[in-house]
Amino acid sequence: ILNVEQSPQSLHVQEGDSTNFTCSFPSSNFYALHWYRWETAKSPEALFVMTLNGDEKKKGRISATLNTKEGYSYLYIKGSQPEDSATYLCAFPLSSQGGSEKLVFGKGTKLTVNP
Amino acid sequence: NAGVTQTPKFRILKIGQSMTLQCTQDMNHNYMYWYRQDPGMGLKLIYYSVGAGITDKGEVPNGYNVSRSTTEDFPLRLELAAPSQTSVYFCASSPRGLDNSPLHFGNGTRLTVT
Repeated sequence: ILNVEQSPQSLHVQEGDSTNFTCSFPSSNFYALHWYRWETAKSPEALFVMTLNGDEKKKGRISATLNTKEGYSYLYIKGSQPEDSATYLCAFPLSSQGGSEKLVFGKGTKLTVNP
Repeated sequence: NAGVTQTPKFRILKIGQSMTLQCTQDMNHNYMYWYRQDPGMGLKLIYYSVGAGITDKGEVPNGYNVSRSTTEDFPLRLELAAPSQTSVYFCASSPRGLDNSPLHFGNGTRLTVT
């Protein structure tokens, strides 16, 4: 059974704080690592698909790094704003037919940014 | 483009009733998925399809059926609704394998079985 672990489960920060959280995944048979942002009462929205060891991606104040050898990815938010409040999911593709057909999701890190 | 469209948005079913959750996408994506969101458990994959005419089970397929007769549509059928199927259901699609493409999600269907 594949496990994708995220920590912490939840996080409360003040507006303006920078924060980061972790996704751990199996380091063998690596295809890619996905990050999604999921606001309450909305649907998940893709942030990044990361494929290369040492990869770093950035979208505004959000960035992510990837270490495929040790099986972890960090998501960073610089200068958190209340609108960053959401659950951040990571996901790992699984293959059973020669391609990466399906994603296994972690349980997410719920971020609350207090004004 | 409308993206991934799910209907209905909300539904209440009695135990033993059946219904179909509709999902359609207008992006010509080959891959389509049904997930359910359970509190504290995150997203669990019910069924998926890599193209028209092809479907496969995910982690939690029991109590559900799917079909994929066209590229655009991927309906999810509940035959005998049970309280354990109370959940929020998300349909998603991707143009190709997930090693370089993200999922595009619909807005969800909130189902209550009483």
